[in-house]
Amino acid sequence: GENVEQHPSTLSVQEGDSAVIKCTYSDSASNYFPWYKQELGKGPQLIIDIRSNVGEKKDQRIAVTLNKTAKHFSLHITETQPEDSAVYFCAASLASNDYKLSFGAGTTVTVRA
Amino acid sequence: NAGVTQTPKFQVLKTGQSMTLQCAQDMNHNSMYWYRQDPGMGLRLIYYSASEGTTDKGEVPNGYNVSRLNKREFSLRLESAAPSQTSVYFCASSEQASVEQFFGPGTRLTVL
Repeated sequence: GENVEQHPSTLSVQEGDSAVIKCTYSDSASNYFPWYKQELGKGPQLIIDIRSNVGEKKDQRIAVTLNKTAKHFSLHITETQPEDSAVYFCAASLASNDYKLSFGAGTTVTVRA
Repeated sequence: NAGVTQTPKFQVLKTGQSMTLQCAQDMNHNSMYWYRQDPGMGLRLIYYSASEGTTDKGEVPNGYNVSRLNKREFSLRLESAAPSQTSVYFCASSEQASVEQFFGPGTRLTVL
């Protein structure tokens, strides 16, 4: 099955700086890559996703890039704010497997004021 | 809309006891999922239901059973709880496979 690795496991940044989280996947057939944010005591919530026919996608301060050749994708958060502090999960899925999501282990992001 | 709701929020069981975790969604979604979340391991899929009347195993189905009661409800049953099943359980739903999954608030289960 699909194996998703996520790095780093923890990330501490100064408010206003950028944060970057990287993920790699094993199955070259994977074609859907969402990112979820989980705040303390809550369920994960989708913040951005990208499909394999797109190399980059932006939504305000958040961007995701995909390198299909290298089988890795990254989340970029610019101008970080205290409310960006959370656990972030990357995931990958493929159509032939009913789009079941395989998640990375998560990155705990702390934004220091 | 309440979105995805889960009951109970917390539960403590003794080894060997059984229980059912309840999940309901009011978004008229076709697909529903059960995940468990353990420290350092992300979320792992236990079972999913692509549509009403169908269920399939995920990555870690052993020790669990599910029932898709109707389009709204998808329950997870532990027949004989084990300490290894101590975890946070999340239910999720989506309009169809491949699009955004909406997660419930989770059930924190401890098996002693």
